[in-house]
Amino acid sequence: AQSVTQLGSHVSVSEGALVLLRCNYSSSVPPYLFWYVQYPNQGLQLLLKYTSAATLVKGINGFEAEFKKSETSFHLTKPSAHMSDAAEYFCAVSDSDSGYALNFGKGTSLLVTP
Amino acid sequence: KAGVTQTPRYLIKTRGQQVTLSCSPISGHRSVSWYQQTPGQGLQFLFEYFSETQRNKGNFPGRFSGRQFSNSRSEMNVSTLELGDSALYLCASSSGGVSEQFFGPGTRLTVL
Repeated sequence: AQSVTQLGSHVSVSEGALVLLRCNYSSSVPPYLFWYVQYPNQGLQLLLKYTSAATLVKGINGFEAEFKKSETSFHLTKPSAHMSDAAEYFCAVSDSDSGYALNFGKGTSLLVTP
Repeated sequence: KAGVTQTPRYLIKTRGQQVTLSCSPISGHRSVSWYQQTPGQGLQFLFEYFSETQRNKGNFPGRFSGRQFSNSRSEMNVSTLELGDSALYLCASSSGGVSEQFFGPGTRLTVL
């Protein structure tokens, strides 16, 4: 069985500061990992995904994440936060055992202060 | 390319009623998945349809069902609604497998 844990349901950063959102996963087979963002009253938008190629994955809007198998982690980072980054962020895992259904973490709400 | 569309966007029902939600995937996508989002349980996978066949199913009661048509459009039905069914229901389309899932804006269902 697979699962995802997102540490910190709320994260607050200053505009221009580093954004770090944590995600740890468990999977008994090679996982595929994703970060999605959700703005109020909208669906989910894919930021980036890891599918067993490069361990450092670059996504949209300046976000990137690094797959670390030894730590079973896939943390999301952005060097400099913008006000427009304020949203809910979800880490998700899928694998062949789950039929590639997305298994989401509980989400982290990012607040960006001026 | 048009994105994933879901209708209606908002719905209010009473306990015991049934409801049907609709999802039109991105043109060319044959896989449609449904997810339920609630504050308490978060995002949970309901089921996936591929080429009119249910290919995968989450852990939901039989009151939740779905189908897919030959044009890949999908519907999900919830019978005998309960208060706990109040949620945002998200539809996602993809080419299948591990390919990217594109999400629609969701249908917000409120059960009174």
